[in-house]
Amino acid sequence: GAVVSQHPSRVICKSGTSVKIECRSLDFQATTMFWYRQFPKQSLMLMATSNEGSKATYEQGVEKDKFLINHASLTLSTLTVTSAHPEDSSFYICSALEGRRGGEQFFGPGTRLTVL
Amino acid sequence: AQSVTQLGSHVSVSEGALVLLRCNYSSSVPPYLFWYVQYPNQGLQLLLKYTSAATLVKGINGFEAEFKKSETSFHLTKPSAHMSDAAEYFCAVSESSGNTPLVFGKGTRLSVIA
Repeated sequence: GAVVSQHPSRVICKSGTSVKIECRSLDFQATTMFWYRQFPKQSLMLMATSNEGSKATYEQGVEKDKFLINHASLTLSTLTVTSAHPEDSSFYICSALEGRRGGEQFFGPGTRLTVL
Repeated sequence: AQSVTQLGSHVSVSEGALVLLRCNYSSSVPPYLFWYVQYPNQGLQLLLKYTSAATLVKGINGFEAEFKKSETSFHLTKPSAHMSDAAEYFCAVSESSGNTPLVFGKGTRLSVIA
């Protein structure tokens, strides 16, 4: 149990296009999901906290108009990278908070975004 | 603010040898500490966590870690490495037991030599 999926696992897009990444909690409800970004050989950096039914909370330095987050249901949060540029190329990982297990976070497998 | 430093981006051990992955933290509040493992093309899996109970924490796959406040450390150990332990390991700190964002270290890649 407690599985989190991400789709797509890998995406390549042209500069200027928008890309949507989905994060789903498959067997539990998650009122809170977190979005992280991981650059090569670096740690995961928190981008934003996504709460079901309310606006996401963004970390300092993360452009909310560029990284749109929608948490419309208890099992789905989406991250849309708008007008993507090569510097947005990265590994994006989400985690979902499973409240019944003492608040443990379960991580998705990540999405590799490459912007040409 | 919280931060984590993992000493050594790459550690290589022989199969059957002791595994020691180092993690030091900085926190202005009593920390909650975690170790995660990431296999290629997979998500992060929780190995163990410290939540202010016992300072020696036992996790899955034979791993354990000891919280040492005086040294601000939370090193991960395993007595005998197995080939299947080869992966990326991340130490993380949080202000709570899990319902707040995690601050991660840069990770340590463990290689196991036959």
